[in-house]
Amino acid sequence: DAKTTQPPSMDCAEGRAANLPCNHSTISGNEYVYWYRQIHSQGPQYIIHGLKNNETNEMASLIITEDRKSSTLILPHATLRDTAVYYCIVRVPSSYGNKLVFGAGTILRVKS
Amino acid sequence: GAVVSQHPSRVICKSGTSVKIECRSLDFQATTMFWYRQFPKQSLMLMATSNEGSKATYEQGVEKDKFLINHASLTLSTLTVTSAHPEDSSFYICSARASGAKNTGELFFGEGSRLTVL
Repeated sequence: DAKTTQPPSMDCAEGRAANLPCNHSTISGNEYVYWYRQIHSQGPQYIIHGLKNNETNEMASLIITEDRKSSTLILPHATLRDTAVYYCIVRVPSSYGNKLVFGAGTILRVKS
Repeated sequence: GAVVSQHPSRVICKSGTSVKIECRSLDFQATTMFWYRQFPKQSLMLMATSNEGSKATYEQGVEKDKFLINHASLTLSTLTVTSAHPEDSSFYICSARASGAKNTGELFFGEGSRLTVL
């Protein structure tokens, strides 16, 4: 199973872009990269996912390197409400749909 | 987006009693649901995969007789913590992925259920 490595914490100024890195050097060709975040005492919230190409939605952008060994989640204009734990996850194939295994994540603190 | 609802959101029980937590997919059908547990300041730990109409698949180290999972319909999975003890106090979170044509690859999470065992 491909594992991910993320910095334990990051700070970002309000209104600036937050760039959260993730290493997944053992990712296999058919595994997707998913990003979720968890605000304190809530269930995780889906942000974005991708396989090879860069992806963008209303919440964030996902940049995946050409060799797929790392990726970066970009929150273009961080707000205080974006303070959360961000999890980078590689989808693990299993018999009954693809379960997600969470690592330690990155605590993002957005400061005014 | 799709909604997954958990009930109760908070529960306090006495040691030795059993507690049932429900996980419902409100606007989609889910053949598979997942149950996680999260202790304070730790990440989510996958406990088991719940499959509609069949037995759940438990992760290594999770006692299937203590954490009973039932997935009786395409929109409901339940987790029963049997003979709960204080060390079972935790935040329990379920998730589900839409089946069939509505499957976009996203996994939707419930709001979580905080169990406190006295």
